[in-house]
Amino acid sequence: AQKITQTQPGMFVQEKEAVTLDCTYDTSDQSYGLFWYKQPSSGEMIFLIYQGSYDEQNATEGRYSLNFQKARKSANLVISASQLGDSAMYFCAMRPGGYQKVTFGTGTKLQVIP
Amino acid sequence: DVKVTQSSRYLVKRTGEKVFLECVQDMDHENMFWYRQDPGLGLRLIYFSYDVKMKEKGDIPEGYSVSREKKERFSLILESASTNQTSMYLCASSLLGQEQNQPQHFGDGTRLSIL
Repeated sequence: AQKITQTQPGMFVQEKEAVTLDCTYDTSDQSYGLFWYKQPSSGEMIFLIYQGSYDEQNATEGRYSLNFQKARKSANLVISASQLGDSAMYFCAMRPGGYQKVTFGTGTKLQVIP
Repeated sequence: DVKVTQSSRYLVKRTGEKVFLECVQDMDHENMFWYRQDPGLGLRLIYFSYDVKMKEKGDIPEGYSVSREKKERFSLILESASTNQTSMYLCASSLLGQEQNQPQHFGDGTRLSIL
């Protein structure tokens, strides 16, 4: 069974600072994909970034980067230069290779302070 | 862009009613999913479907059923609504395939209250 753990229920960050949201996962599969989603207060889930288990480079998408440490089974999201619009829930998720189901973590609520 | 549309943003129903939540996607995705989101519990999979008339139970299927008569539409049915089914319901779709890099695309969610 797959499991995603997000240990930070809530976090604060000052505007323009960088912030790291933690995610650890548990799987016996060798091939898998890791995703981060953002959910603003309006409710829609927005896909942010993807990391494959065989990718040698850490994924980056604009101000988002993924600090992938395979041996430690962690996939932390780093947001650089935080903006007020980054205030939202953030979910880490994993999909094993060859399977359609995705397992989500419990989420981290990020609040950006002016 | 992929568009996943859920029929209602807010819905209020009474205990014992049969409730239908509808979801339509416009990108010809094979996979469709229904999740329930509760504070502190994240997203939990209720059912998913990888083809018309095909369905598989997720982690919390009890009290729910689904219908997929057409590829673009996936319905979640609460057979006899109960107050513990008050929650946020999210529909998602994705491409079928061995590639695990396909993200799920979500609707805006339905906040369902059972009184």
